[in-house]
Amino acid sequence: DAKTTQPNSMESNEEEPVHLPCNHSTISGTDYIHWYRQLPSQGPEYVIHGLTSNVNNRMASLAIAEDRKSSTLILHRATLRDAAVYYCILFNAGGTSYGKLTFGQGTILTVHP
Amino acid sequence: SAVISQKPSRDICQRGTSLTIQCQVDSQVTMMFWYRQQPGQSLTLIATANQGSEATYESGFVIDKFPISRPNLTFSTLTVSNMSPEDSSIYLCSAEGLARDNEQFFGPGTRLTVL
Repeated sequence: DAKTTQPNSMESNEEEPVHLPCNHSTISGTDYIHWYRQLPSQGPEYVIHGLTSNVNNRMASLAIAEDRKSSTLILHRATLRDAAVYYCILFNAGGTSYGKLTFGQGTILTVHP
Repeated sequence: SAVISQKPSRDICQRGTSLTIQCQVDSQVTMMFWYRQQPGQSLTLIATANQGSEATYESGFVIDKFPISRPNLTFSTLTVSNMSPEDSSIYLCSAEGLARDNEQFFGPGTRLTVL
């Protein structure tokens, strides 16, 4: 499985933008880049995903490098509720690995009031 | 979207016993999965619960230890058999909707403590 590398932790102040980086230098052409987050004492929740182009939704934006070897999850205005572990996952949409999410250690985001 | 519930939410069990965890989805889904999250760790996939056939297990997990059922498109169970303290973890189920848009939904997890 292609792997991702994320910083162990990051900190932000409330209402400031947060940029969470992820490196995935061994990404294959059929791998989607997925982001999930896990709030304390909850199951993970889907945040956003993309293949090649930048993506926006109500929760966040995903910026994907032109060579696809890295990506950045952008929270435009962090709130205290955004404090969570953020996971960057490569998802292969084809073959026998379909549906399987391989979680790394993720980035612990702390948001200060 | 899909809403997933799990029962029980937590349990404390004795060594050598078994516990069955239920996962209920509020809509039909194509794929269901079971994960384990050991204390302070990330999630590890145990198996894919296949509707109407045997589950597909990941390396390091076996059917005798973690039997799984999936009788229909909205329900699955995971049994943790012959438990030891090393099985103390959070067990989570997840599902992908019929739209197969690659978004997975997770249950709240079952926190298991084995004494």
